[in-house]
Order: sequence, then C-alpha cells, then structure tokens
Amino acid sequence: GNSVTQMEGPVTLSEEAFLTINCTYTATGYPSLFWYVQYPGEGLQLLLKATKADDKGSNKGFEATYRKETTSFHLEKGSVQVSDSAVYFCALHNTNAGKSTFGDGTTLTVKP
Amino acid sequence: EPEVTQTPSHQVTQMGQEVILRCVPISNHLYFYWYRQILGQKVEFLVSFYNNEISEKSEIFDDQFSVERPDGSNFTLKIRSTKLEDSAMYFCASNRNTGVLSYNSPLHFGNGTRLTVT
Repeated sequence: GNSVTQMEGPVTLSEEAFLTINCTYTATGYPSLFWYVQYPGEGLQLLLKATKADDKGSNKGFEATYRKETTSFHLEKGSVQVSDSAVYFCALHNTNAGKSTFGDGTTLTVKP
Repeated sequence: EPEVTQTPSHQVTQMGQEVILRCVPISNHLYFYWYRQILGQKVEFLVSFYNNEISEKSEIFDDQFSVERPDGSNFTLKIRSTKLEDSAMYFCASNRNTGVLSYNSPLHFGNGTRLTVT
C-alpha cells in the first residue's frame, strides 16, 4: 500500500533560518506528490505539488523536488518568516479516485 | 477563488446522538471526500464519492457513517450514533479529477468542522 513518512516535529527555527522538512514515500506506480499547509485554526491548503520525477514544485519561497531514486519529496525554504508557522503535511496520490495518503504532519514554529 | 465551505464550524453533541456535517464542494468538481483529523494526529481518509456513489472507503468508515449528496451542491457526512472517539476535525475536500491526468489534481479542503462528543 501507499505510505508517507515525514520528519518528526516539532521544528523551531529563528526568522530567516533555512528550513528542511524531510518526506519519503512508498507507493505503487507513479504517484503525484503534494505539500499541504495548515495554519492555526484553519483547514489544509495546497502549498505545492510535483507530478513526475525530477519535477520541482514551488510556491511562496518553498520548494520540493520529486526524487524517484530516493522516493523523497523534501520541503525547503531558504529564509523562513514568523508567518510560516504552521503544520506541514506531505501527501501522495496515484489512483483515479484521487484518495490522498498523508504523512503525520510536522509542526513548524518560527520565532522572531 | 472558489472555496469548499463547511458548516457548522463547531458541533457539540452527546454520545449516542446523530450528527450531520455539511459541505458545499467547489461547483465544477466531480470527486468529493471526507477526511478526519483527531487532535494532534494525522489526517485520515474516510470516504470518497463520485457519480452519486461511494468510490472508496477506509476501515474507519463503518456502518455508523454515511454520505449523501442530496442536491446539486451539498455533500453531507452523517454519524448515526456518535461515540467519544468520534471527536475530531472533519474535513471535506473536492477535486476535478477528470481526464488522463486525473491523478495530478490536488484536493481543495474546507476549513473543517470540529466535532466534540461529550
């Protein structure tokens, strides 16, 4: 079956620090990979996606590259802001029904 | 930008009572989902719905749960007899999910309904 493993949190960084949140997956076939973000008190929002090997998804300064050889999709940002504080979820789906499998989530806190 | 809307934002109910959680998916979307997130835990798939029938469901989605699309816009999740362990955030989601590249289509989530069973 499909599974997603995320770096355990919580992660606490100072403003302008470099962020990496690791994500690895197991799946049959060729899944699409996603990062969702959940701000306090809100639902999940799509942050970025990649649909095939070597694709790089990017949005709001965040990036992640689909690495088929290492089955990874690590999230990075060069300089985090306080407003980036949220829970980040790595997810995949590869069925026509589009059911997504989520990682456990990583809580990021950025301090000024 | 179109949004998925959920009501109510918070529902408190007594154990054994029935609850209905409501969702209005994005209007041109064809697949609808319910996910659950118990406080501090992972996002769990409950059920997917397409063409007026369930297309997939998880082990969590037992006989206590049902979904319905009663009209052209609403998508509901009913829990017949709530248990304490049903307390969670319930998220509705939808996506377009059509065509050859259907697996590319991300989910669009609502803001969730926090269900508290006492």
